Amino acid sequence: AQKITQTQPGMFVQEKEAVTLDCTYDTSDPSYGLFWYKQPSSGEMIFLIYQGSYDQQNATEGRYSLNFQKARKSANLVISASQLGDSAMYFCAMRERSPTGKLIFGQGTTLQVKP
Amino acid sequence: GAGVSQSPSNKVTEKGKDVELRCDPISGHTALYWYRQRLGQGLEFLIYFQGNSAPDKSGLPSDRFSAERTGESVSTLTIQRTQQEDSAVYLCASSYSDQPQHFGDGTRLSIL
Repeated sequence: AQKITQTQPGMFVQEKEAVTLDCTYDTSDPSYGLFWYKQPSSGEMIFLIYQGSYDQQNATEGRYSLNFQKARKSANLVISASQLGDSAMYFCAMRERSPTGKLIFGQGTTLQVKP
Repeated sequence: GAGVSQSPSNKVTEKGKDVELRCDPISGHTALYWYRQRLGQGLEFLIYFQGNSAPDKSGLPSDRFSAERTGESVSTLTIQRTQQEDSAVYLCASSYSDQPQHFGDGTRLSIL
């Protein structure tokens, strides 16, 4: 069965430092996609970054990068130069190659950025 | 606005009442999803629409839950005879083809 595991319930980081949020996944499908979403306290889900299973290079989007290690089935999110506005819940999600495209989510990691 | 719109943003109701939640997807997005998020948890898939058909209803928790969609437009999620365990945030998302899903702000449902 498909599964996403985020082992860090909460993380702290000092402003302007980099932080890595862990995500491991389990799937038997060779074709899949991995996503990270940010959920501030206001509740909306904000798409951050996407990595396809066949992508040769790690995805990057501004201060966000994805450390994709396929053999280890991990897709960690790296946030560089943390800002106070980065304080939020972060979810890792997987989409398998299926007709529906539904997402399987991890339990999330709460990140707090300290000034 | 151009985003996914959900209403109401908050709903408080008594146990046993029926509730209807509404989602207005981004124009042109053929795929629509409903998810449920319990307090402090990740999102659980409920149902998927492609156009106005629902090829995957596997996440609906019980027959008290139903959903419909009008064409490639508005969707409503209905919960009949609400129970306290239905209390959660219900999130709607839409997407076009393989593009990432865009989420609405959710409906926070509280059952007294």
